[in-house]
Amino acid sequence: DAGVIQSPRHEVTEMGQEVTLRCKPISGHNSLFWYRQTMMRGLELLIYFNNNVPIDDSGMPEDRFSAKMPNASFSTLKIQPSEPRDSAVYFCASSRQGRETQYFGPGTRLLVL
Amino acid sequence: LAKTTQPISMDSYEGQEVNITCSHNNIATNDYITWYQQFPSQGPRFIIQGYKTKVTNEVASLFIPADRKSSTLSLPRVSLSDTAVYYCLVGALISSGSARQLTFGSGTQLTVLP
Repeated sequence: DAGVIQSPRHEVTEMGQEVTLRCKPISGHNSLFWYRQTMMRGLELLIYFNNNVPIDDSGMPEDRFSAKMPNASFSTLKIQPSEPRDSAVYFCASSRQGRETQYFGPGTRLLVL
Repeated sequence: LAKTTQPISMDSYEGQEVNITCSHNNIATNDYITWYQQFPSQGPRFIIQGYKTKVTNEVASLFIPADRKSSTLSLPRVSLSDTAVYYCLVGALISSGSARQLTFGSGTQLTVLP
């Protein structure tokens, strides 16, 4: 299995631009998670999907952030408009059930100038 | 939310046993305790998970006292390659309806010295 796939691996953009991060979970996993990691705040859960349905988005920082999961094999995290404080590493993870082992992707390192 | 507290850093020598403790005073009945390992520029990797008492797998042991307000990750005979950040994660997810947000600890930087 290829594991969780994220793209792009690195993204540099200017403030105000739209950013779209992509994730392909492990086949057969029905839970998907988006995390953000910064030095100041550590690892934060942004949103959790189960069977393609958003279950808990209380970690989404504000309305500029949105996430979708149109099918079991694809999810996006969008930031519009982006701001310098959004600079972080964004991880996607998937699992078979909500509390079982989460498998993390390699992350997308986002820099907003 | 079950906030967790871990030591910021620990040093050890090769071949020693390392114990990292995580405090989670507000843990709820449905919460599980999971430990992850993270190397630089990589995503966290699952190590072990437990609910109570003791759990052991091929890489680590997890000790959870009866009150479940803390847990200890034990790494036997560490090597240089075990140098990483170790996270304690407490929480439970419900597949429908409301869900408790997973809470990662601040992480413990373990440095294994030769």
